[in-house]
Amino acid sequence: AQRVTQPEKLLSVFKGAPVELKCNYSYSGSPELFWYVQYSRQRLQLLLRHISRESIKGFTADLNKGETSFHLKKPFAQEEDSAMYYCALARFSGAGSYQLTFGKGTKLSVIP
Amino acid sequence: GAVVSQHPSWVICKSGTSVKIECRSLDFQATTMFWYRQFPKQSLMLMATSNEGSKATYEQGVEKDKFLINHASLTLSTLTVTSAHPEDSSFYICSARGLQPGELFFGEGSRLTVL
Repeated sequence: AQRVTQPEKLLSVFKGAPVELKCNYSYSGSPELFWYVQYSRQRLQLLLRHISRESIKGFTADLNKGETSFHLKKPFAQEEDSAMYYCALARFSGAGSYQLTFGKGTKLSVIP
Repeated sequence: GAVVSQHPSWVICKSGTSVKIECRSLDFQATTMFWYRQFPKQSLMLMATSNEGSKATYEQGVEKDKFLINHASLTLSTLTVTSAHPEDSSFYICSARGLQPGELFFGEGSRLTVL
């Protein structure tokens, strides 16, 4: 069965400090991983996906199959980064259909 | 980006009544929608996958007769919590598939409080 683990419920960092939100996964197939973010009073939205190898709002995430990890990183935290971050794993069930399994989320708080 | 809207945002009902939550895709057609449930300070738990014109696929442990899902059109899926009890109180969130694999557009969520 697939599983996504985010070990930290809360992460507090000072503005300008580096940020790393941890995510580990368990999946027997070829994993496709995502980070979703929820800002205060807003809905969940996609931040980035590993297959795109993109940097969004300064955040990057590298899939490490050896360590089964997909940590989210940013070199210099900004106050506007304060939000709830969810790591998600896609489970594909054929014919292009899929479901996402979410981790429990990490609340990032950037201290001014 | 695409917009998914839920209604109502918050509903309070008496135990034993049924409550319907609507999920609409406002500017696109959603052949597949997902319903999640979120307990306080916990993750989103996938309840079911709703496919337009066919029966929903429920996740293990989710009661089909308790949580009725209807996806009668390409822009509307509904979740009906039948004979609600206080333990059904939760935050229910719907989402629709985007064009990219793994991309979901989420609704703003509906809070259900059963007295």
